[in-house]
Amino acid sequence: EPEVTQTPSHQVTQMGQEVILRCVPISNHLYFYWYRQILGQKVEFLVSFYNNEISEKSEIFDDQFSVERPDGSNFTLKIRSTKLEDSAMYFCASRRDLGTGAFGEQFFGPGTRLTVL
Amino acid sequence: KQEVTQIPAALSVPEGENLVLNCSFTDSAIYNLQWFRQDPGKGLTSLLLIQSSQREQTSGRLNASLDKSSGRSTLYIAASQPGDSATYLCAGLTGANNLFFGTGTRLTVIP
Repeated sequence: EPEVTQTPSHQVTQMGQEVILRCVPISNHLYFYWYRQILGQKVEFLVSFYNNEISEKSEIFDDQFSVERPDGSNFTLKIRSTKLEDSAMYFCASRRDLGTGAFGEQFFGPGTRLTVL
Repeated sequence: KQEVTQIPAALSVPEGENLVLNCSFTDSAIYNLQWFRQDPGKGLTSLLLIQSSQREQTSGRLNASLDKSSGRSTLYIAASQPGDSATYLCAGLTGANNLFFGTGTRLTVIP
């Protein structure tokens, strides 16, 4: 069964460093998302991406964050200069276009645990 | 802003019992509602999706209902098993095409 994959599973970085988190969405999906979950807290939306551009972004997704679909399969989240409070589990998700006006199921990857020291 | 609340925060039941998890949301203008399962330190596994036009969905021992007018959804688990132990999250899809998550219910099924 197709699934969303994410690499790396764990990333440890120093404060101020740049990190790139990678995701391979399910192949026939057209909508892509990043969410994060700080330890012990809710899963929070960061950004959605469709047709090679950002559709929506939350207040969390400030100028330090960027997303890119560099080729036909990968979807990346870059944090330009990491802060201690960026430590969290980052989840990528994707969904297909149902073509009916209804919104389909979002499928999540296993996550990347980011630790900023 | 959409707020999603899940009650109870934690639940412990003996194996074989039927149980109900509750989810309530403040903005009834949701497009659909998804229930997820999360094992410790792991990703989110989608269990059920209910479109706003539907009242319930079933998958195996799971049944989810949605009442948009009252802003509530329930997840019913029949004949619980130890393997069902996990955190269960509900999430509503808003018009902005993103999911708003609840804080989850941590379920423990005791053998």
